[in-house]
Amino acid sequence: DGGITQSPKYLFRKEGQNVTLSCEQNLNHDAMYWYRQDPGQGLRLIYYSQIVNDFQKGDIAEGYSVSREKKESFPLTVTSAQKNPTAFYLCASSPGAGGTEAFFGQGTRLTVV
Amino acid sequence: QKEVEQDPGPLSVPEGAIVSLNCTYSNSAFQYFMWYRQYSRKGPELLMYTYSSGNKEDGRFTAQVDKSSKYISLFIRDSQPSDSATYLCAMSATNAGKSTFGDGTTLTVKP
Repeated sequence: DGGITQSPKYLFRKEGQNVTLSCEQNLNHDAMYWYRQDPGQGLRLIYYSQIVNDFQKGDIAEGYSVSREKKESFPLTVTSAQKNPTAFYLCASSPGAGGTEAFFGQGTRLTVV
Repeated sequence: QKEVEQDPGPLSVPEGAIVSLNCTYSNSAFQYFMWYRQYSRKGPELLMYTYSSGNKEDGRFTAQVDKSSKYISLFIRDSQPSDSATYLCAMSATNAGKSTFGDGTTLTVKP
């Protein structure tokens, strides 16, 4: 089955720790995105990448980092510098030059304990 | 002011009703318009994808874009309890870039 896989589904982090969220796609899409969603709110863009080894900051990049070493993988690290990390994190991909419609993973719910 | 404003809801309708979900936008460069459906605690799924102005129909769903008014709508005919979800509009200026999302409208269809 083609799609986007995010793991883990639930993640707990102690204050001061860095954590990495995994996102893998087998759709052969060029572009990948990370969004944050807070309760009752829409999606806010953290980072996006339109090609391997290149990525750009979104609207709320502070406290986050990403890498894009492979076309199919776009991991997100939530660093200790992110002061309010508890949220639902969504990874998406799109064809890129072939289209802007996004296909989403099922999300990772991160909770700071 | 946000680039994309979505009717906040929540919206509650009886089964079988026609539902209208709406977004307005300020960026006249937007040409690609999407509607996503998001069930609770799940990732959004693409419902409709439209380029420029006009209507697009897919089963019980119709997407309408009026670029002159900077206004888009999603109509759901014969609504079903399974349509209960949050609906997100999204827009892009190009077919190869990031999209800007509305905040979503939560719809409940009561049996």
